[in-house]
Amino acid sequence: QKEVEQDPGPLSVPEGAIVSLNCTYSNSAFQYFMWYRQYSRKGPELLMYTYSSGNKEDGRFTAQVDKSSKYISLFIRDSQPSDSATYLCAMVTAGNKLTFGGGTRVLVKP
Amino acid sequence: DTAVSQTPKYLVTQMGNDKSIKCEQNLGHDTMYWYKQDSKKFLKIMFSYNNKELIINETVPNRFSPKSPDKAHLNLHINSLELGDSAVYFCASSQEGSGYGYTFGSGTRLTVV
Repeated sequence: QKEVEQDPGPLSVPEGAIVSLNCTYSNSAFQYFMWYRQYSRKGPELLMYTYSSGNKEDGRFTAQVDKSSKYISLFIRDSQPSDSATYLCAMVTAGNKLTFGGGTRVLVKP
Repeated sequence: DTAVSQTPKYLVTQMGNDKSIKCEQNLGHDTMYWYKQDSKKFLKIMFSYNNKELIINETVPNRFSPKSPDKAHLNLHINSLELGDSAVYFCASSQEGSGYGYTFGSGTRLTVV
C-alpha cells in the first residue's frame, strides 16, 4: 500500500463547475500538506499548503485537511479550461522529504 | 530568470550508455532533490542534498550517482542505462525548515532505446 493514495482520474467537468480532489494517507508523521499543479511537459508548481487541520482558502482554491481521518481535499470553484492539468497532493515529514500522491488528471471542458 | 533549470530537456540514448543531467538553482536554497516521474505520473524521490551533503538516498540502483559541487548545483550521472530508466527526471530545491517551499525544474525527459 502506498503512503499516499490519490484517484488517478481523469476527472472531467464543465466550465464553471466545482472540482473536488482528495487524497488519503497512512503516515501519521506527515506534518505539512500541499497541492501541486502540473501542466503537460512541465514541472509541478505549488498551489496550496497547510500544516493543520481545517480549511485554507486562496482565491478559487480551498484546501482542507482532516488529520484525524488522514484525508485532504482541494476544491476549485468556477473552474476554467486553464485549470486542466494534473493535480498532485504531497506531504512532508521531518527532514523535508516530500511524498507525492499519484496525481489526478482534471479536464475542464468549455 | 529561471529559478531551477535543468539541462538537457530531452535526452534519447541507447542502452548501456552513460549520461548526465545537470541542475542549477538561483533561489539561494540550501537543499536540492532529484525526483523520478514514471509513465503513470508517479513522482518518487531519489536523492536530496543539503549544503552539498547527501541527506536522502532512497532505494535507487547504484548506477545512479548524484554529485553536488556546491549548494546551487546538483547533477545526476547514470551509468549503463537500461530501458526501465526511461522517465522524466525532476530537480527541485527548497530551504531547510520551510516545510513546503519546493520549487521544481521543468524536467528532463530521458528515453532509453
